[in-house]
Amino acid sequence: AQSVTQPDIHITVSEGASLELRCNYSYGATPYLFWYVQSPGQGLQLLLKYFSGDTLVQGIKGFEAEFKRSQSSFNLRKPSVHWSDAAEYFCAVGARGTGTASKLTFGTGTRLQVTL
Amino acid sequence: GAGVSQSPSNKVTEKGKDVELRCDPISGHTALYWYRQSLGQGLEFLIYFQGNSAPDKSGLPSDRFSAERTGGSVSTLTIQRTQQEDSAVYLCASSLGQGGPIYFGEGSWLTVV
Repeated sequence: AQSVTQPDIHITVSEGASLELRCNYSYGATPYLFWYVQSPGQGLQLLLKYFSGDTLVQGIKGFEAEFKRSQSSFNLRKPSVHWSDAAEYFCAVGARGTGTASKLTFGTGTRLQVTL
Repeated sequence: GAGVSQSPSNKVTEKGKDVELRCDPISGHTALYWYRQSLGQGLEFLIYFQGNSAPDKSGLPSDRFSAERTGGSVSTLTIQRTQQEDSAVYLCASSLGQGGPIYFGEGSWLTVV
Protein backbone atom coordinates (compact mmCIF):
# COMPACT_ATOMS: atom_id res chain seq x y z
CA ALA A 1 0.00 0.00 0.00
CA GLN A 2 1.13 3.51 -0.66
CA SER A 3 1.90 6.10 2.00
CA VAL A 4 2.81 9.76 2.00
CA THR A 5 4.71 11.93 4.44
CA GLN A 6 4.61 15.68 4.80
CA PRO A 7 7.42 16.31 7.27
CA ASP A 8 6.52 19.91 8.06
CA ILE A 9 3.37 20.43 10.10
CA HIS A 10 3.62 24.21 10.07
CA ILE A 11 5.66 26.65 7.99
CA THR A 12 5.85 30.43 8.22
CA VAL A 13 7.18 32.55 5.38
CA SER A 14 7.22 36.25 4.66
CA GLU A 15 5.14 37.61 1.85
CA GLY A 16 7.25 37.73 -1.31
CA ALA A 17 9.59 34.96 -0.15
CA SER A 18 9.92 31.67 -1.95
CA LEU A 19 8.19 28.55 -0.69
CA GLU A 20 8.89 24.85 -0.81
CA LEU A 21 6.60 22.29 0.83
CA ARG A 22 7.95 18.80 1.12
CA CYS A 23 6.20 15.58 0.21
CA ASN A 24 7.71 12.10 0.28
CA TYR A 25 5.89 8.96 -0.73
CA SER A 26 6.31 5.24 -0.43
CA TYR A 27 5.09 3.09 -3.31
CA GLY A 28 6.53 0.27 -5.38
CA ALA A 29 6.22 2.11 -8.67
CA THR A 30 5.53 5.63 -9.84
CA PRO A 31 2.27 6.68 -8.26
CA TYR A 32 -0.20 9.30 -9.28
CA LEU A 33 0.72 12.46 -7.34
CA PHE A 34 -1.43 15.40 -6.32
CA TRP A 35 -1.25 18.63 -4.36
CA TYR A 36 -4.36 20.25 -2.90
CA VAL A 37 -4.94 23.41 -0.89
CA GLN A 38 -7.62 23.91 1.74
CA SER A 39 -8.62 27.25 3.22
CA PRO A 40 -10.42 27.28 6.59
CA GLY A 41 -13.94 25.92 6.34
CA GLN A 42 -13.55 25.13 2.68
CA GLY A 43 -13.23 22.01 0.60
CA LEU A 44 -10.07 21.01 -1.19
CA GLN A 45 -8.84 22.72 -4.32
CA LEU A 46 -6.57 20.87 -6.72
CA LEU A 47 -3.35 22.77 -7.39
CA LEU A 48 -1.67 20.30 -9.72
CA LYS A 49 -1.16 16.63 -10.42
CA TYR A 50 1.40 14.33 -11.98
CA PHE A 51 0.50 11.25 -13.95
CA SER A 52 3.37 10.86 -16.41
CA GLY A 53 5.65 12.79 -18.73
CA ASP A 54 7.49 15.95 -17.77
CA THR A 55 8.50 15.69 -14.14
CA LEU A 56 8.07 19.44 -13.57
CA VAL A 57 4.37 20.15 -13.31
CA GLN A 58 2.82 23.59 -13.48
CA GLY A 59 -0.33 24.29 -11.54
CA ILE A 60 -2.73 27.06 -10.70
CA LYS A 61 -1.92 30.15 -8.63
CA GLY A 62 1.72 30.10 -9.69
CA PHE A 63 2.56 26.79 -8.02
CA GLU A 64 4.74 24.08 -9.47
CA ALA A 65 5.93 20.69 -8.28
CA GLU A 66 8.74 18.42 -9.32
CA PHE A 67 8.57 14.64 -9.26
CA LYS A 68 11.92 13.14 -8.30
CA ARG A 69 11.85 9.38 -8.59
CA SER A 70 15.27 8.91 -6.99
CA GLN A 71 14.13 10.75 -3.87
CA SER A 72 10.50 9.54 -3.87
CA SER A 73 9.51 13.16 -3.58
CA PHE A 74 7.01 15.56 -5.06
CA ASN A 75 7.78 18.93 -3.50
CA LEU A 76 5.58 21.94 -4.10
CA ARG A 77 7.18 25.30 -4.86
CA LYS A 78 6.22 28.89 -5.43
CA PRO A 79 8.75 31.62 -6.20
CA SER A 80 6.92 34.44 -4.41
CA VAL A 81 4.26 33.84 -1.78
CA HIS A 82 1.20 36.07 -1.41
CA TRP A 83 -0.70 36.59 1.83
CA SER A 84 -3.69 34.84 0.25
CA ASP A 85 -1.64 31.62 0.00
CA ALA A 86 -2.02 31.07 3.75
CA ALA A 87 -3.88 27.77 4.01
CA GLU A 88 -3.31 24.07 4.56
CA TYR A 89 -1.64 22.08 1.83
CA PHE A 90 -2.08 18.37 1.25
CA CYS A 91 -0.01 16.00 -0.83
CA ALA A 92 -1.72 12.82 -2.01
CA VAL A 93 -0.71 9.67 -3.84
CA GLY A 94 -2.73 7.16 -5.80
CA ALA A 95 -1.82 3.65 -6.89
CA ARG A 96 -1.58 2.88 -10.59
CA GLY A 97 -2.80 -0.68 -10.41
CA THR A 98 -6.45 -0.04 -11.20
CA GLY A 99 -5.75 2.51 -13.91
CA THR A 100 -7.67 5.14 -12.01
CA ALA A 101 -6.58 7.61 -9.41
CA SER A 102 -9.72 7.17 -7.37
CA LYS A 103 -8.37 6.03 -4.02
CA LEU A 104 -5.90 8.60 -2.82
CA THR A 105 -3.82 8.44 0.31
CA PHE A 106 -3.33 11.89 1.78
CA GLY A 107 -0.54 13.29 3.87
CA THR A 108 -1.29 14.95 7.18
CA GLY A 109 -0.96 18.41 5.68
CA THR A 110 1.29 21.43 6.08
CA ARG A 111 -0.19 24.62 7.45
CA LEU A 112 1.29 27.68 5.76
CA GLN A 113 1.32 31.00 7.55
CA VAL A 114 2.32 34.13 5.64
CA THR A 115 3.62 37.15 7.48
CA LEU A 116 3.33 40.60 6.00
CA GLY B 1 -24.70 24.45 -10.53
CA ALA B 2 -21.21 25.62 -11.17
CA GLY B 3 -19.53 23.48 -8.55
CA VAL B 4 -20.01 20.40 -6.41
CA SER B 5 -22.86 20.99 -4.01
CA GLN B 6 -23.22 19.17 -0.70
CA SER B 7 -26.05 19.17 1.79
CA PRO B 8 -26.56 19.62 4.61
CA SER B 9 -23.57 21.82 5.28
CA ASN B 10 -23.89 21.12 9.00
CA LYS B 11 -25.66 18.32 10.80
CA VAL B 12 -25.85 17.58 14.50
CA THR B 13 -27.41 14.24 15.31
CA GLU B 14 -27.89 12.06 18.32
CA LYS B 15 -25.94 8.87 18.69
CA GLY B 16 -27.86 5.97 17.19
CA LYS B 17 -29.75 8.03 14.62
CA ASP B 18 -29.39 7.58 10.87
CA VAL B 19 -28.13 10.41 8.66
CA GLU B 20 -28.10 11.02 4.93
CA LEU B 21 -25.58 13.26 3.23
CA ARG B 22 -26.15 14.40 -0.31
CA CYS B 23 -23.74 15.29 -3.08
CA ASP B 24 -24.69 16.96 -6.34
CA PRO B 25 -21.68 16.77 -8.66
CA ILE B 26 -20.79 19.03 -11.54
CA SER B 27 -23.09 18.30 -14.44
CA GLY B 28 -21.67 15.68 -16.78
CA HIS B 29 -19.02 14.42 -14.40
CA THR B 30 -19.01 10.65 -14.49
CA ALA B 31 -16.71 10.06 -11.55
CA LEU B 32 -17.78 10.83 -8.01
CA TYR B 33 -15.79 10.35 -4.80
CA TRP B 34 -16.53 10.46 -1.10
CA TYR B 35 -13.78 11.25 1.38
CA ARG B 36 -13.88 11.89 5.11
CA GLN B 37 -11.78 14.37 7.05
CA SER B 38 -11.39 14.14 10.80
CA LEU B 39 -8.90 15.41 13.34
CA GLY B 40 -7.80 11.96 14.36
CA GLN B 41 -7.62 10.25 10.99
CA GLY B 42 -6.97 13.04 8.50
CA LEU B 43 -8.35 12.63 5.00
CA GLU B 44 -9.63 9.15 4.19
CA PHE B 45 -11.09 7.64 1.05
CA LEU B 46 -14.58 6.17 1.42
CA ILE B 47 -15.99 5.22 -1.98
CA TYR B 48 -15.70 5.92 -5.69
CA PHE B 49 -18.44 5.87 -8.31
CA GLN B 50 -18.07 5.66 -12.04
CA GLY B 51 -21.52 6.36 -13.35
CA ASN B 52 -23.94 4.58 -11.06
CA SER B 53 -21.61 1.73 -10.12
CA ALA B 54 -19.08 1.70 -7.32
CA PRO B 55 -15.92 -0.09 -8.47
CA ASP B 56 -14.18 0.73 -5.22
CA LYS B 57 -15.99 0.89 -1.90
CA SER B 58 -13.05 -0.37 0.09
CA GLY B 59 -12.87 2.71 2.28
CA LEU B 60 -16.29 2.39 3.89
CA PRO B 61 -15.40 1.86 7.56
CA SER B 62 -18.23 -0.50 8.49
CA ASP B 63 -21.51 -1.92 7.26
CA ARG B 64 -23.25 1.05 8.88
CA PHE B 65 -22.01 3.10 5.93
CA SER B 66 -23.56 2.84 2.49
CA ALA B 67 -23.73 5.01 -0.59
CA GLU B 68 -25.62 5.09 -3.81
CA ARG B 69 -25.67 7.14 -6.95
CA THR B 70 -28.64 7.48 -9.21
CA GLY B 71 -28.97 8.73 -12.76
CA GLY B 72 -25.22 9.13 -12.95
CA SER B 73 -25.63 12.28 -10.93
CA VAL B 74 -26.64 12.79 -7.30
CA SER B 75 -25.11 10.57 -4.65
CA THR B 76 -26.26 9.91 -1.12
CA LEU B 77 -24.04 8.67 1.69
CA THR B 78 -26.01 7.06 4.48
CA ILE B 79 -24.70 6.38 7.97
CA GLN B 80 -26.89 4.16 10.11
CA ARG B 81 -26.85 4.09 13.89
CA THR B 82 -24.35 6.91 14.08
CA GLN B 83 -21.52 6.76 16.59
CA GLN B 84 -19.43 9.58 18.01
CA GLU B 85 -16.43 8.45 15.99
CA ASP B 86 -18.45 9.21 12.85
CA SER B 87 -18.12 12.91 13.61
CA ALA B 88 -16.14 14.38 10.72
CA VAL B 89 -16.39 16.44 7.58
CA TYR B 90 -17.64 14.37 4.67
CA LEU B 91 -16.26 15.64 1.38
CA CYS B 92 -17.57 14.85 -2.06
CA ALA B 93 -15.64 15.38 -5.29
CA SER B 94 -16.33 14.84 -8.95
CA SER B 95 -14.40 14.71 -12.19
CA LEU B 96 -14.60 13.70 -15.82
CA GLY B 97 -12.98 10.36 -16.57
CA GLN B 98 -10.60 8.61 -14.24
CA GLY B 99 -8.08 11.29 -13.41
CA GLY B 100 -8.78 11.41 -9.72
CA PRO B 101 -10.86 13.79 -7.58
CA ILE B 102 -10.59 17.22 -9.14
CA TYR B 103 -13.45 19.37 -7.84
CA PHE B 104 -14.43 19.14 -4.19
CA GLY B 105 -17.52 20.43 -2.47
CA GLU B 106 -17.32 22.37 0.77
CA GLY B 107 -18.27 19.33 2.78
CA SER B 108 -20.94 18.24 5.21
CA TRP B 109 -19.91 18.74 8.82
CA LEU B 110 -21.36 15.93 10.90
CA THR B 111 -21.39 16.03 14.67
CA VAL B 112 -22.71 13.06 16.62
CA VAL B 113 -23.63 13.87 20.22
